[in-house]
Formats: sequence, C-alpha cells, structure tokens
Amino acid sequence: ETGVTQTPRHLVMGMTNKKSLKCEQHLGHNAMYWYKQSAKKPLELMFVYSLEERVENNSVPSRFSPECPNSSHLFLHLHTLQPEDSALYLCASSQDAVGSNQPQHFGDGTRLSIL
Amino acid sequence: TQLLEQSPQFLSIQEGENLTVYCNSSSVFSSLQWYRQEPGEGPVLLVTVVTGGEVKKLKRLTFQFGDARKDSSLHITAAQTGDTGLYLCAGVSGGYNKLIFGAGTRLAVHP
Repeated sequence: ETGVTQTPRHLVMGMTNKKSLKCEQHLGHNAMYWYKQSAKKPLELMFVYSLEERVENNSVPSRFSPECPNSSHLFLHLHTLQPEDSALYLCASSQDAVGSNQPQHFGDGTRLSIL
Repeated sequence: TQLLEQSPQFLSIQEGENLTVYCNSSSVFSSLQWYRQEPGEGPVLLVTVVTGGEVKKLKRLTFQFGDARKDSSLHITAAQTGDTGLYLCAGVSGGYNKLIFGAGTRLAVHP
C-alpha cells in the first residue's frame, strides 16, 4: 500500500471513446504527476501539478487532458486516442514539486489498451 | 535532451550470485534515485544518492553515485529470488522534481 490509488486498474477503449483515469493520494502531498510506461520506451513524465496548478506539460498531445481539482486528486481525461497510446499510466505524488531529492510515491497504474 | 542509459537490459542469474547494474549519462544530475518495480505494481523507491562519490547500503544492495554525478551503479550481493524485478534509475532534473528515467534492468533470480 503506497498511499496512491489509481482506478481503474485496466481499461480497454476504442479510438473514438472518451474515458478518464483517476488518481487519489492519501499522503498529504502537494505535488502530483502523470507518467506513461510503454514496452519500448523508458518511463516518461507527462504532467506535473504543484498545489493544483499545472507546472509541467512534457509536450503531451492534446488528446490527453489532465485535471487536478484539489491536492489529493488527479485525473487524466482521454479522448480520440491512438493505438500507440496503449501503455501503463502511472500516477505519483511527492511532498512538494520544488527542491530535489523528493521521493515520488507511485500508484500501481492503469493498464490502457486502445482497440 | 538528458538521457540515462541502463545496462544490462536483462539479467538472468542463479540465487547466490552477485550482480551489478549500471546507469550512465552525459548529463549531470542534482541527485539520482533507484526504484524497483514488480509486475502489476508501480515503482517503489529504494534509495536516493545526492553527493558525488556517495555510497549507500541497503542490506545486500550497494548504491554508488559517480564523482561527477553523471553515473550510478547498483550492486547486489548474494542475490535472492525476492530480488527479481525491474530496476529503474532516475535522475532528478529541473526545478519541478522532474525525473528522467532509464529504460530499466529486468532481473530474474532463479532458485
């Protein structure tokens, strides 16, 4: 139990569907992150939120839309995805987003498959 | 673009053997973190190294940060089946705790 919960654990969707991934952290952290882990690439940072404000967008296509309504919750809204978007999407949190050496606590991810 | 290269990509060994995993970059990082990821789970932090030349020990695992803070190694002594997993190094870059991950080393320890 890492204190970071992601739902759903598995998601299969068509390219025209709209779905959302949810992440909730129970650690009292101020920073949250979305990562993409695919089979052929290293873990890639997608977005960083600090105190509910997006502070980093790592050149992510607009078909991925993050939302952070409060410091405990993070969503990733998906629409018109492509087959190459199939991957494990990981959420993480840390105490703060500024200052190095902050350990990040990861959820167990959502395995997304695009048909 | 900052990159971290991990080697080897795959490692299959017998219980009791020693092994070393390497993480190299041409870039300097303020610190470097090592994570282990098991199937169906997210990465879990093992250690953070901060100072060039730093050595940290976690039971049978020894982590070293290069003097120039561009590379790191993880040495496991007398590997056990429970050490099986994906080992990831990640360099801390930028002002927003941005992690640059290596591709990982997939370790299988056989009884």
